[in-house]
Amino acid sequence: IAGITQAPTSQILAAGRRMTLRCTQDMRHNAMYWYRQDLGLGLRLIHYSNTAGTTGKGEVPDGYSVSRANTDDFPLTLASAVPSQTSVYFCASSQDRAQDTEAFFGQGTRLTVV
Amino acid sequence: AQSVAQPEDQVNVAEGNPLTVKCTYSVSGNPYLFWYVQYPNRGLQFLLKYITGDNLVKGSYGFEAEFNKSQTSFHLKKPSALVSDSALYFCAVRDARVDSSYKLIFGSGTRLLVRP
Repeated sequence: IAGITQAPTSQILAAGRRMTLRCTQDMRHNAMYWYRQDLGLGLRLIHYSNTAGTTGKGEVPDGYSVSRANTDDFPLTLASAVPSQTSVYFCASSQDRAQDTEAFFGQGTRLTVV
Repeated sequence: AQSVAQPEDQVNVAEGNPLTVKCTYSVSGNPYLFWYVQYPNRGLQFLLKYITGDNLVKGSYGFEAEFNKSQTSFHLKKPSALVSDSALYFCAVRDARVDSSYKLIFGSGTRLLVRP
């Protein structure tokens, strides 16, 4: 079934540890995104990628890094996790180079940093 | 810079009554506007979008939204609410300029509660 797959679904992580959240899509979408969802703050854009090989910073990029080596994968890395990074993380993608296309979302990764 | 405001944290409505969830936006160029719905412990699902043309856009599950350029608003509406419409609703905007990025910016969300 076509779509976006995120892994893991949930994770408890010790502060200071490194963690990579995985995101894979099989729709051949060019644009991909990482958001975090926090109560009362909605979805905030962390990083995005317009196409393979390019990335850009969103609203809250500090403490996170991304790479886009190919079209399908867009991993998000927390180099040294802190408790404020406890959140639900959503990966999304949108089709081709058209800015009027909607984004499709994964099911989310619930991350708790202790 | 793009931004979206959803002024209401929660909207309460009785089943069968019309509902409105408000959204205003700010973007440098013309906007592409989107509404998404999120059910508990799920990802976001696309409802509808405004690209160009008719200001009234119809979407999934009987929802519609009205684009008002002068008021920079894109309010979500439904003529008759169902209990099953209870969920979290997000408005989002993207800058339509050809040279802009694909950044999609969301509002803080509005919880819709439809009581029987």
